[in-house]
Amino acid sequence: GAVVSQHPSRVICKSGTSVKIECRSLDFQATTMFWYRQFPKQSLMLMATSNEGSKATYEQGVEKDKFLINHASLTLSTLTVTSAHPEDSSFYICSARDEFRTTGNTIYFGEGSWLTVV
Amino acid sequence: RKEVEQDPGPFNVPEGATVAFNCTYSNSASQSFFWYRQDCRKEPKLLMSVYSSGNEDGRFTAQLNRASQYISLLIRDSKLSDSATYLCVVKGGGSYIPTFGRGTSLIVHP
Repeated sequence: GAVVSQHPSRVICKSGTSVKIECRSLDFQATTMFWYRQFPKQSLMLMATSNEGSKATYEQGVEKDKFLINHASLTLSTLTVTSAHPEDSSFYICSARDEFRTTGNTIYFGEGSWLTVV
Repeated sequence: RKEVEQDPGPFNVPEGATVAFNCTYSNSASQSFFWYRQDCRKEPKLLMSVYSSGNEDGRFTAQLNRASQYISLLIRDSKLSDSATYLCVVKGGGSYIPTFGRGTSLIVHP
């Protein structure tokens, strides 16, 4: 079964509105979660690292005021795409590592969220 | 040079064929290596970790060559269901953030 759950799996929104995507670790705690974006036939591109209880670390070229990340608990991180535009349409995936296990190297992914901005 | 490089393919092979992918990485201090499989419009899923001594899981064999800084994935007796994109993931070397290759597309045809 899934150990990282992402919601919603699909969302269509109007241009200019905001969309929130949730990422939950179901049976482990994660102080760090990662948000990726993937355009068709492209690789996963890291957008930001979400840190529980502190500010997210954004990759170069990713607007922090447009992609708001909140990691308020050890099992939940949210990504809000503000003032969405059609070019933001993409597949957004979160991932987390079960870092409290001694062999916490495996990276678990959420199911992904398809965002379409019309 | 990109941190993790993969030939995007596609590799187009018949059922039953043996196919191999390589993935090169630039950070010699990298410590953890993985192969993930991603089906079309789905999230990546762990296929196997790559150990220094190499490891095998059924028809899949992964190997690490630290001297040349690459990892490989060998798939024997290809099945139609093996058609997917295979992502190379490298972690460590001063960072806990995993770095993904762009993936290699495999198409297995009848």
